[in-house]
Amino acid sequence: NAGVTQTPKFQVLKTGQSMTLQCAQDMNHNSMYWYRQDPGMGLRLIYYSASEGTTDKGEVPNGYNVSRLNKREFSLRLESAAPSQTSVYFCASSESLIASGNTIYFGEGSWLTVV
Amino acid sequence: KQEVTQIPAALSVPEGENLVLNCSFTDSAIYNLQWFRQDPGKGLTSLLLIQSSQREQTSGRLNASLDKSSGRSTLYIAASQPGDSATYLCAVTDAGNMLTFGGGTRLMVKP
Repeated sequence: NAGVTQTPKFQVLKTGQSMTLQCAQDMNHNSMYWYRQDPGMGLRLIYYSASEGTTDKGEVPNGYNVSRLNKREFSLRLESAAPSQTSVYFCASSESLIASGNTIYFGEGSWLTVV
Repeated sequence: KQEVTQIPAALSVPEGENLVLNCSFTDSAIYNLQWFRQDPGKGLTSLLLIQSSQREQTSGRLNASLDKSSGRSTLYIAASQPGDSATYLCAVTDAGNMLTFGGGTRLMVKP
């Protein structure tokens, strides 16, 4: 049972380069999320998609773009990477709204270093 | 802005001890509170979810309580085992359907 799958797992970028993190879920979930995790700061929401065809900004959206390609896939793009974007990125999904008590499932993370 | 704090940041206990992890939040207007487990190099796994109308939830050796009015939650782990070693995070959900996470408590259970 794959759950939430993220690629790549590790990536090193030079400042100014662009890249896309891919995420796919096989649980037929409506909502998908991108978080970043930095030491001592917990996880912070970058963008989310409540349902196919919609995307909304989270707490820290600057420097990122997202695409909800279809119900399964939600990608995160860094257009011009900066050292401040060095972090661990997590994709997650839930059947519907977390506020309604739906469980959220996380991928295993993507370690990104910008030099 | 909602802020979630977890104390202590790290905890080391001998196997078999009962222990309590603490979580506090500044805005009591939450929909629910969740406790997660994170193993090194892995993603988060949801352990317990407490809706705002509930006081506690139990799963096996885990018991989570919620006092919304005081902005506090505790995760009680009974008879701790080395396999419980991990980072435990709490998170609250607000009206915007956004999770706000605490910084986590890193737990080490020594054999």
